[in-house]
Amino acid sequence: GAVVSQHPSWVICKSGTSVKIECRSLDFQATTMFWYRQFPKQSLMLMATSNEGSKATYEQGVEKDKFLINHASLTLSTLTVTSAHPEDSSFYICSATGTSGSWEQYFGPGTRLTVT
Amino acid sequence: QKEVEQNSGPLSVPEGAIASLNCTYSDRGSQSFFWYRQYSGKSPELIMSIYSNGDKEDGRFTAQLNKASQYVSLLIRDSQPSDSATYLCAVTPNSGNTPLVFGKGTRLSVIA
Repeated sequence: GAVVSQHPSWVICKSGTSVKIECRSLDFQATTMFWYRQFPKQSLMLMATSNEGSKATYEQGVEKDKFLINHASLTLSTLTVTSAHPEDSSFYICSATGTSGSWEQYFGPGTRLTVT
Repeated sequence: QKEVEQNSGPLSVPEGAIASLNCTYSDRGSQSFFWYRQYSGKSPELIMSIYSNGDKEDGRFTAQLNKASQYVSLLIRDSQPSDSATYLCAVTPNSGNTPLVFGKGTRLSVIA
């Protein structure tokens, strides 16, 4: 149990375009999802916390107009990188916590974004 | 500022030995403690969770928690080359709706 999927697993896009990344909880309902970014050889950086049906809470320094997060259902959250630039190239990972009372967070496999 | 500190390593141990990974945290109100394993280029994988003082064993892994000392550790017995990865300590104050605070991770290398 506690499987989280992400799609796509990797994506290459041109500078100035937008990219949408999906995060799904496959076998549980995720009340809260978290979005992280990780640059090579660096630690995870929390970007935002997403609760189903409400606006995401962004960490300091993360542009909410650039990284659009939607958590429309208990099994799906999306991250859209708008007007992507090469410096947005990174490994984007979501995690989810469920409604079962477990405090554990489960990570998706990540999406590697390359902006050319 | 909530902080989680880990030695970055690399920690090198021979195959079959015990690997000991340590973590300290600054928020005395922390309630939940987790160890994640992250292979290069992959996302973190939850391997242990611990919520109360003492030891918790799961196969070759033992997590130890000492809230008075604000210290949590992970022991890996009979280390295997496949255990070579970065181990992330994560702490959260209370419920699962709270973001994890991660340490920067300890890189473990098990030498065959």
